[in-house]
Amino acid sequence: QKEVEQDPGPLSVPEGAIVSLNCTYSNSAFQYFMWYRQYSRKGPELLMYTYSSGNKEDGRFTAQVDKSSKYISLFIRDSQPSDSATYLCAMSPNSGGSNYKLTFGKGTLLTVNP
Amino acid sequence: GAGVSQTPSNKVTEKGKYVELRCDPISGHTALYWYRQSLGQGPEFLIYFQGTGAADDSGLPNDRFFAVRPEGSVSTLKIQRTERGDSAVYLCASSLTAGQGANYGYTFGSGTRLTVV
Repeated sequence: QKEVEQDPGPLSVPEGAIVSLNCTYSNSAFQYFMWYRQYSRKGPELLMYTYSSGNKEDGRFTAQVDKSSKYISLFIRDSQPSDSATYLCAMSPNSGGSNYKLTFGKGTLLTVNP
Repeated sequence: GAGVSQTPSNKVTEKGKYVELRCDPISGHTALYWYRQSLGQGPEFLIYFQGTGAADDSGLPNDRFFAVRPEGSVSTLKIQRTERGDSAVYLCASSLTAGQGANYGYTFGSGTRLTVV
């Protein structure tokens, strides 16, 4: 079993839909939780990060972390064609001196159709 | 520069050859990371530099892989005796400091797409 599991999709939705993306993880040492967006042939770019449990909102994006269930989610409201990309979850621990080391999910390919 | 620059953007090499991949981080960023992204997978950690030294090279798959950062800025990832399984996108990222996880923002380059034929 991989440390971080993410359904690769693909996921196709109509413009304006609410998109829900999620990851599960097994390493209880993970404390930092991130979502990256990766366009084709580009590097990942950080969308949102959350420390420990809770919710965080930024515009149309909401990140949720449930540490008790080892489950994280990213919600995209009013999805736009420009949101079409691969979404990667990533995590890192807060201790042991290795908090710089990100463990990524496989990524979910999202297409928003106009 | 404004972002992390990686060259070349594409590299095709024959099995058994030696390759070098270059990363030019954001000016002033002391921490530099290499990740490898195979087709359909998320990036996997290879090595982390703090300044000139490799602080953690635990992700390098074997001794054919080596990386340097002699002046604490540009880094080169070197792969000897390339194998077809080395084909992947090699991503470089930098950050101001190693910091807490990625909350200070790792900036990734666009990667070098390596194809071993």
